[in-house]
Amino acid sequence: IAGITQAPTSQILAAGRRMTLRCTQDMRHNAMYWYRQDLGLGLRLIHYSNTAGTTGKGEVPDGYSVSRANTDDFPLTLASAVPSQTSVYFCASSDSRGGVNEQFFGPGTRLTVL
Amino acid sequence: GQNIDQPTEMTATEGAIVQINCTYQTSGFNGLFWYQQHAGEAPTFLSYNVLDGLEEKGRFSSFLSRSKGYSYLLLKELQMKDSASYLCAVKDSNYQLIWGAGTKLIIKP
Repeated sequence: IAGITQAPTSQILAAGRRMTLRCTQDMRHNAMYWYRQDLGLGLRLIHYSNTAGTTGKGEVPDGYSVSRANTDDFPLTLASAVPSQTSVYFCASSDSRGGVNEQFFGPGTRLTVL
Repeated sequence: GQNIDQPTEMTATEGAIVQINCTYQTSGFNGLFWYQQHAGEAPTFLSYNVLDGLEEKGRFSSFLSRSKGYSYLLLKELQMKDSASYLCAVKDSNYQLIWGAGTKLIIKP
């Protein structure tokens, strides 16, 4: 792996189903983030983690949960999907301990909830 | 509330220069980022400004005025591959990024 990966690439899901989006990075970044991107809106932060073992809520956390058991993985779970969660989901990571702290993004997961 | 404003869409000609503006109102300021996003792809980092002034990186430059809550991204010698969306983001007092909706740049031959 080089960088940050996400799985699946795309998914069509029935409303009410549970779904976990996977994210893995190999850059040893301490901070990780989940965003959703919808047409006409900026990226919106769902949840974040500043270090393994800690998580925090972003701008739009309702209906989503995350865990950060180790440095590399940061899965996002939709407990019971609803159509309004149809979106493109991006995972990102950064080394927030100094410097510019730019975020590096995964390729995204396109999720459709019917 | 927090707000980042950018034009929705701009059109420019190959070989020309284009300036994409970004104005912001945020709770605190800890830096401003510009990202490029091609259609169907992930955003990629272009530039970072934390102090007033111009940062130049090849064909791309970014300017910041903190007192005016204003930044611009300047793209010179435009190429067809520069057709993309350009995202402005501000790191707020909680060190989280607040994102603009992006400016779709269309390059015509």
